[in-house]
Amino acid sequence: GNSVTQMEGPVTLSEEAFLTINCTYTATGYPSLFWYVQYPGEGLQLLLKATKADDKGSNKGFEATYRKETTSFHLEKGSVQVSDSAVYFCALSTGNNQGGKLIFGQGTELSVKP
Amino acid sequence: GAVVSQHPSRVICKSGTSVKIECRSLDFQATTMFWYRQFPKQSLMLMATSNEGSKATYEQGVEKDKFLINHASLTLSTLTVTSAHPEDSSFYICSAGGQGSGNTIYFGEGSWLTVV
Repeated sequence: GNSVTQMEGPVTLSEEAFLTINCTYTATGYPSLFWYVQYPGEGLQLLLKATKADDKGSNKGFEATYRKETTSFHLEKGSVQVSDSAVYFCALSTGNNQGGKLIFGQGTELSVKP
Repeated sequence: GAVVSQHPSRVICKSGTSVKIECRSLDFQATTMFWYRQFPKQSLMLMATSNEGSKATYEQGVEKDKFLINHASLTLSTLTVTSAHPEDSSFYICSAGGQGSGNTIYFGEGSWLTVV
C-alpha cells in the first residue's frame, strides 16, 4: 500500500542553521507530494507541493524536490528562524484533479533556538 | 488561496451527548472533503472521505454509526460524533479539494473536542 516515512523528531537547531527533514514514500502510480506545516495549536497549512518527478516545490525559503528514482521528497531550508518552529508533515496524494485523500508521514517536530 | 473553515474550533461536551463539527469551503466547490483525527503528538489519521450527495467512505476501523458524516452541499460537510465518550477527545480536522482548488487540498483550522 501507499505510505510515507519521515525522519523522527524532535529536531533542534540553532537559528540560521541548515535544515533537512527526510521523507521517503511508497506509492503505486504517480503521486503528488506535499509538505504541510502545523504551528502550535493550529491546523495544517500547505507549505509546498510537487506533482511530478523532478519538480521542485518552494515557499518561504523551504524547498523540496520530487525524486522518483529515490522515492524521496526531502525538505530543506538554508537558514532557519525561530518562527519556523513547528511540526512538519510530508504527505502524498494519489487523487485526480478533483482532490485525493492524503497519506501522512508521522510528522517531524522542529525546534529552532535563538 | 482557497479557504476552508471549520467550526467550532473548540468544544466541550458531556459523555453520552452528540456534537457536530462543520467544515466549509469558502471560495470553491468541494466535491470531496476528508475528515481526519489527530491524537496528541501523533500524525493525522484519515477517518472518512465525504463526497457531495453520496454516502461517506469510512476507513477501516472507523465506526460509521458513531462518526456520522454528511456532505449535503458542495460547500459544507459535517461530522457528528454521537454518544461521545472521553476517548473520542481529539483534534478533528477536515480538508477539501475540488473544482477551483487547483489539485491542492486545503485544511480547515481544526476542532478540539473534549468529552468530559
